[in-house]
Amino acid sequence: NAGVTQTPKFQVLKTGQSMTLQCAQDMNHEYMSWYRQDPGMGLRLIHYSVGAGITDQGEVPNGYNVSRSTTEDFPLRLLSAAPSQTSVYFCASSYDRALRGQYFGPGTRLTVT
Amino acid sequence: GESVGLHLPTLSVQEGDNSIINCAYSNSASDYFIWYKQESGKGPQFIIDIRSNMDKRQGQRVTVLLNKTVKHLSLQIAATQPGDSAVYFCAEISLTGNQFYFGTGTSLTVIP
Repeated sequence: NAGVTQTPKFQVLKTGQSMTLQCAQDMNHEYMSWYRQDPGMGLRLIHYSVGAGITDQGEVPNGYNVSRSTTEDFPLRLLSAAPSQTSVYFCASSYDRALRGQYFGPGTRLTVT
Repeated sequence: GESVGLHLPTLSVQEGDNSIINCAYSNSASDYFIWYKQESGKGPQFIIDIRSNMDKRQGQRVTVLLNKTVKHLSLQIAATQPGDSAVYFCAEISLTGNQFYFGTGTSLTVIP
C-alpha cells in the first residue's frame, strides 16, 4: 500500500492564482481530511469528507473548496491564492470520524507571494 | 506540556531512559484523545489513542494516561531511542460537537 500520497510537494503561487492540491489513499478509508499547519499553531482542519459524495467544512474553510467523487481521491482547491494561505498542507485518511488509525500524507509546502 | 506560541516546549532525554510528554486539554466533553509523532519535514504519524472512558492504554513501548479530573493527558515512551526524536502533539476530538483540536507539540530530543 502507498498509504496517503500528496502532490505537489512544494508549490509557489502568486496572489490571485488558483491551484489544486492532490490527495489520494489506497486503504479504502471512508474519512478523509485536509489540514494546514502553521508555525506556533496546531493543525487546523480545513475540510473533511465522511465518504464519497459527502464533504463538510472544518475550522478554517474560507478560500478552499473540496470534492470527493471517489473514495480514493480528495483534492483541495485554492480558488484565489492569498499570502495568508502560505502554509504546509496535510491530507489524512482514517477509517472513522474519531480519526482512529489515521494516516497522513507527506505534506505540500505552499508559498503565496 | 504543550502551549501555543512560536517556541515549542522541549524535552531532552538520554537514550534508554523513559520519556514523559504532557498535554493539557480544554474540552471536558471530548470523546477521544490521540497522540501523534511528527519528524522534521514529514507528516504526523498516529501513535496511540484513548477513549474518554478509559484512564490508561498501552501500546508498543508507549503508554497514554488520561486524567479527566485535571484534564491532563500524558504519553510515556519506554526505553527512549534516537529514532524517537521528533515533535509529539496531542489531539482532542469531540464527535458530538464535531470539534477537533490539535496541540502545538513538544519537541523531544534523545541524546545518544
